[in-house]
Amino acid sequence: GQNIDQPTEMTATEGAIVQINCTYQTSGFNGLFWYQQHAGEAPTFLSYNVLDGLEEKGRFSSFLSRSKGYSYLLLKELQMKDSASYLCAVMDSNYQLIWGAGTKLIIKP
Amino acid sequence: GAVVSQHPSWVICKSGTSVKIECRSLDFQATTMFWYRQFPKQSLMLMATSNEGSKATYEQGVEKDKFLINHASLTLSTLTVTSAHPEDSSFYICSARDLAGELNEQFFGPGTRLTVL
Repeated sequence: GQNIDQPTEMTATEGAIVQINCTYQTSGFNGLFWYQQHAGEAPTFLSYNVLDGLEEKGRFSSFLSRSKGYSYLLLKELQMKDSASYLCAVMDSNYQLIWGAGTKLIIKP
Repeated sequence: GAVVSQHPSWVICKSGTSVKIECRSLDFQATTMFWYRQFPKQSLMLMATSNEGSKATYEQGVEKDKFLINHASLTLSTLTVTSAHPEDSSFYICSARDLAGELNEQFFGPGTRLTVL
């Protein structure tokens, strides 16, 4: 079956760095997405990785290793507004998104 | 990025009534739209994939006669929750794929919060 695993909840301090991991097993692979979702709102796109390596975009970076079925989202210089759920999703061979359950990130002052 | 709208943003209805939710891609054409449901503190659950001009593909366990999907144009898909019951209360989110885009990215609407009394 298809499976996406990520931690349920993480806590970090304002100004610090946090890494959210995601492992996956899917039928085919056409890219991995990270989305941010604030409570009561729809997800918003953060990043997309289809090749191995690190993609950097401002304070956020995303890494992919296809051979290991592994990705992480790195958030630097954490701000209170970064408190949200972070969803990892893999696009399978049918171009369908398979979603992880999300990681709730709590930022403390 | 591309914009997807949903209407209404929230709706409260009595048990047994039907509710229609609209999903529109505002600045791009979407041959495929997706309907998700999200219960509190849970992840997105794909309900169905809506293809313009053809029948929707429903995920296992989703009743197609209860959740009617119509994708009549390249910019509009509708989800009708028929004979709604309190257990249908949830956050319904649509997304659309921009085929002209480079990333196969799905753009999400703002969601519709449905409360069935």
